Amino acid sequence: GNSVTQMEGPVTLSEEAFLTINCTYTATGYPSLFWYVQYPGEGLQLLLKATKADDKGSNKGFEATYRKETTSFHLEKGSVQVSDSAVYFCALHTYSGGYQKVTFGIGTKLQVIP
Amino acid sequence: NAGVTQTPKFRVLKTGQSMTLLCAQDMNHEYMYWYRQDPGMGLRLIHYSVGEGTTAKGEVPDGYNVSRLKKQNFLLGLESAAPSQTSVYFCASSYSGDGYTFGSGTRLTVV
Repeated sequence: GNSVTQMEGPVTLSEEAFLTINCTYTATGYPSLFWYVQYPGEGLQLLLKATKADDKGSNKGFEATYRKETTSFHLEKGSVQVSDSAVYFCALHTYSGGYQKVTFGIGTKLQVIP
Repeated sequence: NAGVTQTPKFRVLKTGQSMTLLCAQDMNHEYMYWYRQDPGMGLRLIHYSVGEGTTAKGEVPDGYNVSRLKKQNFLLGLESAAPSQTSVYFCASSYSGDGYTFGSGTRLTVV
């Protein structure tokens, strides 16, 4: 079956530090890959996506590249801010039985300190 | 544009009581989903719907029922609440090929 692996954290960084959150996956077929962000007390929000190999998704200074050869979709940001403190979920979207099936990672908590 | 709206936001139930969680979306999405989120377990799919009048079981459907009588609404019912159903419940909707739009969640405590 499909699976997504990411560290649970927490990852603690100082403001303006470089961020990498690793995400690897196993899947059959050709999945689309997504990152979602969940701020405290809120639902998940779509952050960025990539639909095929070598695509780069980007939004709000975050980037991730769909690497088929390493089955990875690592999230990066060059300079984090306190407001980036949240839980980040890597997700794999596939189609099965006529509907869109999503497999979420466990979520990585990011804490950015001033 | 409201997106996905969940009601109520908070609820405390006694064991054995019943309740219905309402999810409404105004984006004309075909697909709708109910998840529960528990510490250390991530998001788990309870039930989903691929269109008006259709429902299907997800990973953890036991103890829950759902209905999708109208395209914009997806109801999650607990017939006899148990403490193990204490969780945060999220509704989501999507259009084919796009990412999910989530509601802000319902925090349910069963005592």
